[in-house]
Amino acid sequence: GNSVTQMEGPVTLSEEAFLTINCTYTATGYPSLFWYVQYPGEGLQLLLKATKADDKGSNKGFEATYRKETTSFHLEKGSVQVSDSAVYFCALFTGANSKLTFGKGITLSVRP
Amino acid sequence: DAGVIQSPRHEVTEMGQEVTLRCKPISGHNSLFWYRQTMMRGLELLIYFNNNVPIDDSGMPEDRFSAKMPNASFSTLKIQPSEPRDSAVYFCASTLGGGPYEQYFGPGTRLTVT
Repeated sequence: GNSVTQMEGPVTLSEEAFLTINCTYTATGYPSLFWYVQYPGEGLQLLLKATKADDKGSNKGFEATYRKETTSFHLEKGSVQVSDSAVYFCALFTGANSKLTFGKGITLSVRP
Repeated sequence: DAGVIQSPRHEVTEMGQEVTLRCKPISGHNSLFWYRQTMMRGLELLIYFNNNVPIDDSGMPEDRFSAKMPNASFSTLKIQPSEPRDSAVYFCASTLGGGPYEQYFGPGTRLTVT
């Protein structure tokens, strides 16, 4: 079946540090991949997505590249801000139905 | 445009009482999802609907939980009777069906069962 594995958290960084959050997946077919972000007290919202191999999704300074050979979709940002403190979820969609398969999420805290 | 609307935002009830959570999806969306989020179990998909029809309810914990979607603009999640272990944040999300489209989440209902 489909599954998404995220690195264990939480992650604590200082402002302006480089961020990498790992995500790997197992899926049949050719999934589309997503990163969602959940700010404190809010619902999840889409951060970025990639629909085919080698695509790079980007938004708000965050990037992730769809790597089919390593079945990965790692999230990166060159310089994090305090406002990036949130929970980050990796997810995949295979088209077998409308639902997303989410990873467990990882909490990021950025110190001033 | 309004996003996904959920009500109530907070609900505190006593064990054994019936609880009804409500959701209004974004107009034009034909897929609706109910999730539960807790610290222990993370984000869990409970049930989802396509075109108002329940497609997969395998995530519903037990018979105390039920969900309906009587029309394209309204869905309910009911817990009867409620138990303390049902305490969680319940999210509703909607999307266009049939493709890798963004799921739009509501603000959630924080349920506390005492």
